[in-house]
Amino acid sequence: NAGVMQNPRHLVRRRGQEARLRCSPMKGHSHVYWYRQLPEEGLKFMVYLQKENIIDESGMPKERFSAEFPKEGPSILRIQQVVRGDSAAYFCASSRGQQETQYFGPGTRLLVL
Amino acid sequence: DQQVKQNSPSLSVQEGRISILNCDYTNSMFDYFLWYKKYPAEGPTFLISISSIKDKNEDGRFTVFLNKSAKHLSLHIVPSQPGDSAVYFCAANRKPGGGSEKLVFGKGTKLTVNP
Repeated sequence: NAGVMQNPRHLVRRRGQEARLRCSPMKGHSHVYWYRQLPEEGLKFMVYLQKENIIDESGMPKERFSAEFPKEGPSILRIQQVVRGDSAAYFCASSRGQQETQYFGPGTRLLVL
Repeated sequence: DQQVKQNSPSLSVQEGRISILNCDYTNSMFDYFLWYKKYPAEGPTFLISISSIKDKNEDGRFTVFLNKSAKHLSLHIVPSQPGDSAVYFCAANRKPGGGSEKLVFGKGTKLTVNP
């Protein structure tokens, strides 16, 4: 019974490159959430998606960041033209439905050089 | 604007004793509260939750207490074990229709249980 899967676990990018983070929710879960954790901080909400729909992107930076959750395949968080300030741990969570418990993946640690 | 606050960055207790982790919130729209445990280089693991219609929820060694009038909740771990050593995050959620499903997290409390 696999939990939430994220890959890669570690990602190193140079400034200006693109970063793609993938998240496969738990089996039976159709709701996906992305959070970011900066050092010494709590997790901050970025975006909430259901299959093929973005429900809430109020925590997403307006530029360079995008997210999708296609009908088939994992959810993708895409960061274009990365900057050093994007270095953080990015966590994906999934739930079965609204107001249901969110279960987290192991995270992707992004380092921008 | 920190809507969920964990004012103690760290806590150290002896094995077998009680650990009490505290959390305060400012947004009265929050109606569902959760505690997550996180080990280094891993994702948060769900521990226990409580709805605002209750003031206590218990699961084995873990009990969460909610005081709505004080906008305060606490997590009690009894007895504490060395394997409980981790960072504990308090999180809150708003009522459906009053916002989205996003969780608002505190900054965490690092618990160390000494053998």
